[in-house]
Amino acid sequence: QVQLVESGGGVVQPGRSLRLSCAASGFPFSSYGMHWVRQAPGKGLEWVGLIWYDASNENYADSVKGRFTISRDNSKNTLYVEMNSLTAEDTAVYYCARDRGASISRPGYMDVWGKGTAVTVSS
Amino acid sequence: EIVLTQSPATLSLSPGERATLSCRASQSVSNYLAWYQQRPGQAPRLLIYDASNRATGIPARFSGSGSGTDFTLTISSLEPEDFAVYYCQHDNNWPPFFGPGTKVGIK
Repeated sequence: QVQLVESGGGVVQPGRSLRLSCAASGFPFSSYGMHWVRQAPGKGLEWVGLIWYDASNENYADSVKGRFTISRDNSKNTLYVEMNSLTAEDTAVYYCARDRGASISRPGYMDVWGKGTAVTVSS
Repeated sequence: EIVLTQSPATLSLSPGERATLSCRASQSVSNYLAWYQQRPGQAPRLLIYDASNRATGIPARFSGSGSGTDFTLTISSLEPEDFAVYYCQHDNNWPPFFGPGTKVGIK
């Protein structure tokens, strides 16, 4: 069945880096754009960024632009986000989600979600 | 950027009652609006896309309507598993944005 499984979360000190992964299965991964969305404890959903199906383009939220980099390896059906210069405000559960409908002019909606991986930034 | 507001913040209802949730955009998003359900401790789940289209496997008691700046998610008769937080999200332009959510709780 269609599935997304995130991994790589944990506790990290402020200013350090962390890489999250999202393993996809059950669908042609290389045909879909992919989002990262995060949720701080007790808060709502915040879009982080999207990578095109062929990795030709990426879009980021202003809150992470220049610090986070989204990439993918279509041969391994895996999505990544490299997070640098982490602060306490980056503490959240990070979800990967499959995109439907994104184009140059507009993002899409998210039709399949993983269960998330928790990141805590604390000294 | 387009900001979404949701009302009410909390809705207290009994099983079997009708729930009406509102999402308002700061400017027109055409029909590019989605609704998600998030149960406690779970990931979000897509319910509605393009304002009124039910996602695969979503029961018919969920319906969406609206266009432009005003949208509504209706749950015709609440089941126990429907008590959750509901988020709207626009995908009209960059960046996509989620509303703050409406919590549907048991009365």
